[in-house]
Amino acid sequence: EIVLTQSPGTLSLSPGERATLSCRASQSVTSDYLAWFQQKPGQAPRLLIYGTSNRATGIPDRFTGSGSGTDFTLTISRLEPEDFAVYYCQQFGTSPRTFGQGTQVEIK
Amino acid sequence: QVQLVQSGAEVKKPGASVKVSCKASGYTLSSYYLHWVRQAPGQGLEWMGIINPSNGGTTYSQKFQGRVSMTRDTSTSTAYMELSSLRFEDTAVYYCARGHYGSGSLTTFDIWGQGTMVTVSS
Repeated sequence: EIVLTQSPGTLSLSPGERATLSCRASQSVTSDYLAWFQQKPGQAPRLLIYGTSNRATGIPDRFTGSGSGTDFTLTISRLEPEDFAVYYCQQFGTSPRTFGQGTQVEIK
Repeated sequence: QVQLVQSGAEVKKPGASVKVSCKASGYTLSSYYLHWVRQAPGQGLEWMGIINPSNGGTTYSQKFQGRVSMTRDTSTSTAYMELSSLRFEDTAVYYCARGHYGSGSLTTFDIWGQGTMVTVSS
């Protein structure tokens, strides 16, 4: 099983600031099979990024995914009030599909 | 509008079974794989398995092997997930999610149901 470790656990930032979220895999992940989700309280997760760097439908361009091998990054260029949430990375190239434990982006 | 609508909350006793439904609308159920994911209160996301609605083929996470069954009824565009021998630690929100963006069964999840809360309590 591929273990995904996200850091930091919590990111305290102000609106307008840049957020950088990390996802490290226990073994190499094919770039095609790495995704990022956003989840707000009481809601289902929402797909942001698939294939490491492709934005899903309707996702604004302030969200950027990058990385390869075992190290992946989600960057939010300028935080909007609606971006404060929990973010999960996911690999779907091997079974079981696995998620990171999440990074909470909170208002400072 | 493409959506997945799940059945309502359930309360079950330990040892019982629960069956959650997931109805697809706005697209043809058999055209996309369907995954099931759960989330315990205050915890992260856990993948349970996948069904190919076109032929009923399934792959389950080893963690749930022997306790989970995923089925579908294409005539009603509905998928089902049944979990048996429930334990307190099965208390969670259960989601269905459409597989998209990838290759074959190796897909991530672009459309999610609203979630079904299953509480296991004596």
